[in-house]
Amino acid sequence: DAGVTQSPTHLIKTRGQHVTLRCSPISGHKSVSWYQQVLGQGPQFIFQYYEKEERGRGNFPDRFSARQFPNYSSELNVNALLLGDSALYLCASSLRDSPYSNTGELFFGEGSRLTVL
Amino acid sequence: QQQVKQSPQSLIVQKGGISIINCAYENTAFDYFPWYQQFPGKGPALLIAIRPDVSEKKEGRFTISFNKSAKQFSLHIMDSQPGDSATYFCAASKGYGGATNKLIFGTGTLLAVQP
Repeated sequence: DAGVTQSPTHLIKTRGQHVTLRCSPISGHKSVSWYQQVLGQGPQFIFQYYEKEERGRGNFPDRFSARQFPNYSSELNVNALLLGDSALYLCASSLRDSPYSNTGELFFGEGSRLTVL
Repeated sequence: QQQVKQSPQSLIVQKGGISIINCAYENTAFDYFPWYQQFPGKGPALLIAIRPDVSEKKEGRFTISFNKSAKQFSLHIMDSQPGDSATYFCAASKGYGGATNKLIFGTGTLLAVQP
């Protein structure tokens, strides 16, 4: 079975531009979460969507937005890019909306590496 | 601010030795504590997780020890192998009833197991 797939894998943008990152969850998974991982740091929670509704939002500016489509895939959009947005953006999917049960385990994709120049 | 503090930042262990990574948390509402393993160029993968109603959980060579009163938990890797060389992250969340997959991650430990 295919895991979580993300695209693009690498991209380079300049300050002020906009970027859209895409994520396809594992088949059957209804929850998608987005995390930002700056080099040398742990991932930081950005958003969670479950059944197409936003279930959580991390401490990120309004330049960051996301949505989930009827097929449970998701997009993360970042406007007005800053140098500090350079990071690995990770998408994770799970069966349920909470990690408390085994079926809530988060499965991460390999990420989209964004470089802002 | 919810935080999870992880130490050490890096660790070198000889093959066959025991690797120990420690984490401390502040928010007593946390009730789910996973450990993730990340290889270069890959996303984090769940290694083992524990809930605060038990003090220890073992899966193969990997053991989590949990001290609720001290708000600390640790990962022990027994018989460490070169293939265990990776970055390890502890994390915490308010999973029960929280309806969220918001994990608070530590800063990571780079483990190198020397042959």
